[in-house]
Amino acid sequence: EAGVAQSPRYKIIEKRQSVAFWCNPISGHATLYWYQQILGQGPKLLIQFQNNGVVDDSQLPKDRFSAERLKGVDSTLKIQPAKLEDSAVYLCASSFGGEAHYNEQFFGPGTRLTVL
Amino acid sequence: AQSVTQLGSHVSVSEGALVLLRCNYSSSVPPYLFWYVQYPNQGLQLLLKYTSAATLVKGINGFEAEFKKSETSFHLTKPSAHMSDAAEYFCAVSLSNDYKLSFGAGTTVTVRA
Repeated sequence: EAGVAQSPRYKIIEKRQSVAFWCNPISGHATLYWYQQILGQGPKLLIQFQNNGVVDDSQLPKDRFSAERLKGVDSTLKIQPAKLEDSAVYLCASSFGGEAHYNEQFFGPGTRLTVL
Repeated sequence: AQSVTQLGSHVSVSEGALVLLRCNYSSSVPPYLFWYVQYPNQGLQLLLKYTSAATLVKGINGFEAEFKKSETSFHLTKPSAHMSDAAEYFCAVSLSNDYKLSFGAGTTVTVRA
């Protein structure tokens, strides 16, 4: 079974530029998560999708971050404009979803963003 | 709101020695608890999870953890460290009814030959 795919793996941009990350979850997984992991910290949830609807985006800085999951499968996370403090690893995770099945999250390898 | 605290940001052990990583949680309702491992330049991999069944949980790679409600702890142990255990380890908590993970800051494990 293929895992969660993310691209690009690395991205270097200058502040005020825009950047987009892509995630393809495990086939059949209804729930998709984006996390931000700043160096030395644990991952922090940015947004959670259930199919193509947003469940929780309370920690997403909506003035500069946006995310979509138009067809309920893959997803993109965008930052516009980027700030120095956005330098982090952006992790995508997916889970089967549904209360009858424990909702284990499977993580992709992440995209390491450096903002100069 | 739920949270976890990992005691010690770095742990160094000799190969063959006991690995002990400490995690304490706070939660207003019965929690689910997890340990994840992250190798360099990779995503997180689930080591083990507690979901209100047996309090002693066995995971992959010889790791286990014990849920102690009275101490609000979920410490991770491995009897004998291997060089391949060098990685970063994260404790996480979720509420039993929403599955949203809150992570600790992580503990980096180095293994000395």
